[in-house]
Amino acid sequence: DTAVSQTPKYLVTQMGNDKSIKCEQNLGHDTMYWYKQDSKKFLKIMFSYNNKELIINETVPNRFSPKSPDKAHLNLHINSLELGDSAVYFCASSHTGAENYGYTFGSGTRLTVV
Amino acid sequence: AQTVTQSQPEMSVQEAETVTLSCTYDTSESDYYLFWYKQPPSRQMILVIRQEAYKQQNATENRFSVNFQKAAKSFSLKISDSQLGDAAMYFCASHHRDDKIIFGKGTRLHILP
Repeated sequence: DTAVSQTPKYLVTQMGNDKSIKCEQNLGHDTMYWYKQDSKKFLKIMFSYNNKELIINETVPNRFSPKSPDKAHLNLHINSLELGDSAVYFCASSHTGAENYGYTFGSGTRLTVV
Repeated sequence: AQTVTQSQPEMSVQEAETVTLSCTYDTSESDYYLFWYKQPPSRQMILVIRQEAYKQQNATENRFSVNFQKAAKSFSLKISDSQLGDAAMYFCASHHRDDKIIFGKGTRLHILP
């Protein structure tokens, strides 16, 4: 009954490969996000989707492509992986609107590019 | 641009004592939300406490309370009766109308037995 689940938890891959991270939430939230946490623990937003529509697209290389087949899922596909992509990637979800209770986060995916 | 600043990269506190983590933020909006998140070694992000900017009363959750000073744009977290399980990275965050949450760089809290 995990609220926001990400798979895989760990991902080790070689430079140049293409990989995907999946995220699903069962909270009925209408907005989902991807955040990147670097080695210094800094959290930076990458994307957000509201009801399958892209709302926020920060300055992220176009090798990163989010896909939202429905409002409960937001996947992240990364092409041509580079060493600098190594980080922990967090999926999160929330309600939009005036009553904001913050994000619910997944447990993160540690991506290591070798 | 919205920013969140945590000026203490690391702090230590004796078990059972009280510690205060500082946070300042900058925004031109009048309506927003503020949060403290905890990230233990398991790396799970856990919501600790939340404050609506339009509410003057400081939020409290058991041993966790905030000191929200809207005019000064300050939002500090007080942890009373610190426990070993409180050891973690603590992130201050602000949420705005564009639905983007901006995080500070975090404060690593050590609990000394």
